[in-house]
Amino acid sequence: QSVLTQPPSVSASPGQKVTISCSGRYSNIGNNYVSWYQHLPGTAPKLLIYENNKRPSGIPDRFSGSKSGTSATLAITGLQTGDEADYYCGGWDSSLSAGVFGGGTKLTVL
Amino acid sequence: QVTLKESGPVLVKPTETLTLTCAVSGFSLSSTTMGVSWIRQSPGKALEWLADISSNDEKSYSTSLWSRLTIAMDTSKSQVVLTLTNVDPVDTATYYCARIGRSFTYYFDFWGQGILVSVSS
Repeated sequence: QSVLTQPPSVSASPGQKVTISCSGRYSNIGNNYVSWYQHLPGTAPKLLIYENNKRPSGIPDRFSGSKSGTSATLAITGLQTGDEADYYCGGWDSSLSAGVFGGGTKLTVL
Repeated sequence: QVTLKESGPVLVKPTETLTLTCAVSGFSLSSTTMGVSWIRQSPGKALEWLADISSNDEKSYSTSLWSRLTIAMDTSKSQVVLTLTNVDPVDTATYYCARIGRSFTYYFDFWGQGILVSVSS
């Protein structure tokens, strides 16, 4: 059971927009920063968003992050087939004094 | 450029101790704003955070695994070592080490390729 809650799967068509939610509590999302990762099978996870809404260099602006209260959202616009992957939210939990991840969301681009 | 590379046994027997090494390059383990974490993914499961260590040798552990985990840093060798005692088949997973980009805001900006460790007799 992951500390952060994500939908198991989302799907959309190429060119469309999809959002992935990440729900937590005050001790994690509510009082700390959220990051997002893209994970393709057989590869290392890739940082997409850090500090709630910042993109590392090289990450296209099709990917964006936001946070409100104890929830965070990853939005992907202009979906491409290459975006099919598992997406994870992550952060720090001040009560646990530990890093935490969501359960992951599988994105299917139909 | 920043790289991390995991190494260790790919097969361990139940009850044994698993020792994994993360060799880093392109940054210093002494950097005050960074750290290194270990994360694993069991087959078909989500990412699971295990432990981290900061430049001032502060350590944090998963609440469910803390009694079995130890993380240590050798700055002279640019290595971070994770040990997991009394392994069980449920510890079969791909183990990743990752750099904590900024300790205060806590995100993983560079990851190793991962090492698949199987626990079986």
